[in-house]
Amino acid sequence: EVQLLESGGGLVQPGGSLRLSCEVFGFSFSRHAMIWVRQAPGKGLDWVSGIRDSGINKFYADSVKGRFTISGDSSKNTVYLEMKNLRVEDTAVYYCAKEGYGSGFPWGQGTLVTVSS
Amino acid sequence: DVVMTQSPLSLSVTLGQPASISCRSSQSLALSDGYTYFNWFQQRPGQPPRRLIYEISNRDPGVPDRFSGRGSGTDFTLEISRVEAEDVGVYYCMQGTYWPRTFGQGTKVEIK
Repeated sequence: EVQLLESGGGLVQPGGSLRLSCEVFGFSFSRHAMIWVRQAPGKGLDWVSGIRDSGINKFYADSVKGRFTISGDSSKNTVYLEMKNLRVEDTAVYYCAKEGYGSGFPWGQGTLVTVSS
Repeated sequence: DVVMTQSPLSLSVTLGQPASISCRSSQSLALSDGYTYFNWFQQRPGQPPRRLIYEISNRDPGVPDRFSGRGSGTDFTLEISRVEAEDVGVYYCMQGTYWPRTFGQGTKVEIK
């Protein structure tokens, strides 16, 4: 069964850092494009970052470019989102998801990141 | 980046009646290989999103056949033939043709 489990969220001060993890089960993430999407409280979905081609190609939204880094560890079947210089406006639930066409597009349950002093 | 524009942003529908949501992209999502990577997602309150439709008109497994998608190029539509109570939530379009991926603003569907 395909599952994605995010962790690593929490409360952090502005300017601080966090690393989110997305452990996947039931498939090898390196064979698929994986994305991070966030949702601020009461707001819509905001695409953050993506990784594909066994980690060779990485993509970022302009709002996080230079501050966030996506990576993956195939030995742990885990995708990471390293977040630095966090801002209040980064406060959101962060979801990871596996892109797929014909094979589903599963999402995790999300992890909450709160940036506040 | 490709801008995705949805309309309407909210919809109040009587149970059993049809509903329609539009999404327009700022550039064509059609690739030269014939594929158009356009998706519709549903997000029920308190839940992560769930994809309903991929490649414009293909339903994901388990999605009721009252949901259908159509369109091409830059204009896409999600239709619900007969709205049920479980369809309450927010619907998002998302393009998967270009990086970075982009979502529409969302359309909130409620029961009248």
